Amino acid sequence: GENVEQHPSTLSVQEGDSAVIKCTYSDSASNYFPWYKQELGKGPQLIIDIRSNVGEKKDQRIAVTLNKTAKHFSLHITETQPEDSAVYFCAASPPEDSGGSNYKLTFGKGTLLTVNP
Amino acid sequence: DARVTQTPRHKVTEMGQEVTMRCQPILGHNTVFWYRQTMMQGLELLAYFRNRAPLDDSGMPKDRFSAEMPDATLATLKIQPSEPRDSAVYFCASGPYRDRGFEQYFGPGTRLTVT
Repeated sequence: GENVEQHPSTLSVQEGDSAVIKCTYSDSASNYFPWYKQELGKGPQLIIDIRSNVGEKKDQRIAVTLNKTAKHFSLHITETQPEDSAVYFCAASPPEDSGGSNYKLTFGKGTLLTVNP
Repeated sequence: DARVTQTPRHKVTEMGQEVTMRCQPILGHNTVFWYRQTMMQGLELLAYFRNRAPLDDSGMPKDRFSAEMPDATLATLKIQPSEPRDSAVYFCASGPYRDRGFEQYFGPGTRLTVT
């Protein structure tokens, strides 16, 4: 099955700096890669996702890049703010023809991002 | 702003008691998921429904856990009997099914403590 590795496990940056979180996946057939932000006491919130037919996607201060050849994808947050402090999870899922299991998200272990004012 | 809702938000119970957690998916979403989150195991998928039919519950301990969707607006996860190792945060998520991977939107979770 799919295995997703996420690094680093903790990341501390100064307000205004950029933050980068990286994930690798093992199943070359995976084609959907979402990122979730989880604040303390809350459920994971989908913040951005990318499908395998594109290499990069941006939404204001966040962007995700995908390298299918190397089987890794990254989350980039620019101009970080204290409210960006949270645990971030990457995930990957296979395509429909893998026995109808395209719903099955495999999550990384998470990155605790702390943005210091 | 459509959201997944879950009740109760917190539950403390004694070992051996029955626990029922409820979820209302986002209107129009035809897929529902139950996850469990612990520090040790992270996020684990317990069960998956599409159009109210259970498609995968391989992540669930069958002897004590059960999941159902009585109707399109309600999903339930039941534990009977509960054990201390069931203590965790249980999340429900819903999404619109697509053929190339699709978004899952999580609820706020039910924090379960079994003493």
